[in-house]
Amino acid sequence: EAGVTQFPSHSVIEKGQTVTLRCDPISGHDNLYWYRRVMGKEIKFLLHFVKESKQDESGMPNNRFLAERTGGTYSTLKVQPAELEDSGVYFCASSPRVDNSPLHFGNGTRLTVT
Amino acid sequence: ILNVEQSPQSLHVQEGDSTNFTCSFPSSNFYALHWYRWETAKSPEALFVMTLNGDEKKKGRISATLNTKEGYSYLYIKGSQPEDSATYLCAFSSGGYQKVTFGTGTKLQVIP
Repeated sequence: EAGVTQFPSHSVIEKGQTVTLRCDPISGHDNLYWYRRVMGKEIKFLLHFVKESKQDESGMPNNRFLAERTGGTYSTLKVQPAELEDSGVYFCASSPRVDNSPLHFGNGTRLTVT
Repeated sequence: ILNVEQSPQSLHVQEGDSTNFTCSFPSSNFYALHWYRWETAKSPEALFVMTLNGDEKKKGRISATLNTKEGYSYLYIKGSQPEDSATYLCAFSSGGYQKVTFGTGTKLQVIP
């Protein structure tokens, strides 16, 4: 089975620009999560989709971040306009809708805002 | 405890030594406790998901225990090998919606 894939693997943009990150979960996984790791700190929760619905978006830092999961398949995370503090590694993870399943992570997108 | 806390932050052990580290989490509204292994330049990989108080799980030389009443879990590595060098993350979920919150991790370095 194909794992969770994220695109791009790296992105360098200037402050004020827009960037869109994409995550393709494992096929059939209803749960999709976005996390962010900034400056080597802990992996912080951003939001959680169940199929196409946002179950919990309490970790989204502000309204410059917009996540979508149209059709309940892949998800995008758009940052517009990007700020310096948005730099970090953005991880996507998915899991089936079975109680207490582990998360399957993608390799992350390293975002650098200059 | 309001968040997930892990200790120590980092650890150096000699090859062959056994070691353990701690994860503390809120004991109220517990749902599940996860352990992940995260090697540099890779993505985190699941080791265990535990749900029941007193649960013990084992995978090769790695094992974990769970105490949901007092809100802690221990991860043990027996006879550490250089390939065990990684960051070990624990994560906690509460309620039925599976929001999974991660600790800061314990970075293990096994010296040959």
